[in-house]
Amino acid sequence: NAGVMQNPRHLVRRRGQEARLRCSPMKGHSHVYWYRQLPEEGLKFMVYLQKENIIDESGMPKERFSAEFPKEGPSILRIQQVVRGDSAAYFCASSQGYGSRGNNEQFFGPGTRLTVL
Amino acid sequence: DAKTTQPNSMESNEEEPVHLPCNHSTISGTDYIHWYRQLPSQGPEYVIHGLTSNVNNRMASLAIAEDRKSSTLILHRATLRDAAVYYCILRDSSWGKLQFGAGTQVVVTP
Repeated sequence: NAGVMQNPRHLVRRRGQEARLRCSPMKGHSHVYWYRQLPEEGLKFMVYLQKENIIDESGMPKERFSAEFPKEGPSILRIQQVVRGDSAAYFCASSQGYGSRGNNEQFFGPGTRLTVL
Repeated sequence: DAKTTQPNSMESNEEEPVHLPCNHSTISGTDYIHWYRQLPSQGPEYVIHGLTSNVNNRMASLAIAEDRKSSTLILHRATLRDAAVYYCILRDSSWGKLQFGAGTQVVVTP
């Protein structure tokens, strides 16, 4: 059973360009989470999605960032008009959509390292 | 989710046990105690979780205080591969986000 897959693993963009980060959850998982880790900082939650729905976007910056998890295909984190401060590692995690809530383990991908020049 | 407090770092010699403390004095009755770790340049990985009773799995043991205001993650025989940042996280009855603190950086010396 393949784990959570993210691509690309490394992404370089110039200021003002768009960045698209993809996440394929583990087979059978219907919940996807995105986290960001700025250099020398901790992991911060960004957004939580179920198929076709955003459940919690309390950690998303108000502008330029969006996320989707369509019925078919991977989840996408999109950053428009990137700035240097967006340089970070972006991790995706997935979990099952059933079972005891407190037990719900999240499985993380290897991350996408975004560098903005 | 309630807040946790962990030491910034701990050192251990290889093949010796490591005891990682976590304080969570404001834990509620429905909060589960989860541990994740993050190896260098990798995504976090689940280690163990518990509610009230001590728990064991192939990776570690979790000892939970009787009043649940603290817990200890025990790595029985540290290996070089266990060098990572270990995060103690409380999760309530929601499905959602994990709230990571600064964690404990574990250094394992050969």
